[in-house]
Amino acid sequence: SQTIHQWPATLVQPVGSPLSLECTVEGTSNPNLYWYRQAAGRGLQLLFYSVGIGQISSEVPQNLSASRPQDRQFILSSKKLLLSDSGFYLCARQGNDNSPLHFGNGTRLTVT
Amino acid sequence: KQEVTQIPAALSVPEGENLVLNCSFTDSAIYNLQWFRQDPGKGLTSLLLIQSSQREQTSGRLNASLDKSSGRSTLYIAASQPGDSATYLCAVSTGTASKLTFGTGTRLQVTL
Repeated sequence: SQTIHQWPATLVQPVGSPLSLECTVEGTSNPNLYWYRQAAGRGLQLLFYSVGIGQISSEVPQNLSASRPQDRQFILSSKKLLLSDSGFYLCARQGNDNSPLHFGNGTRLTVT
Repeated sequence: KQEVTQIPAALSVPEGENLVLNCSFTDSAIYNLQWFRQDPGKGLTSLLLIQSSQREQTSGRLNASLDKSSGRSTLYIAASQPGDSATYLCAVSTGTASKLTFGTGTRLQVTL
């Protein structure tokens, strides 16, 4: 199974509030995990990726952070949300570098 | 920096027609290329993965080709159906951990 669980499905948060989005995956151990953001009218942007527990690489400077406390858990966080953090956040997993990327159903975040 | 372009941005065809979606990328040193489908408000579904050493991949009515030297890929959909209506995205992978660069997609509508 390549099931990816993301929650919540939708979220409305005020500016300055904290954020925690969780992603858990099933399937083979030690997958590559990714956080992408899809803003309205724009393509998917890679935010973070992780090749193992505690290993996080950031792709763009931003107001967000990520953590991987367990092999199959990937968390996206922010201490203080900005309006520009609004978007559709997608978690993805990959078994190895040669296998397809599988996505969760995403979380739509609106910062007001 | 890798850039991925998809043309056309939107396409409307009558049911039963064969169609081709185009994807081009600027850096030919890719690891693999993937085609995805995204339904409104949903995550991405992997359709086809082509390794850099391959020329094409087929799955049912879908056929994807890759010409790495010219930086192009096409997704051919045979005998289109209304259920094929969605946004189709291509993405190329470079380097380790398969960080993907996405195009902005082609929005396809198949009409009755």
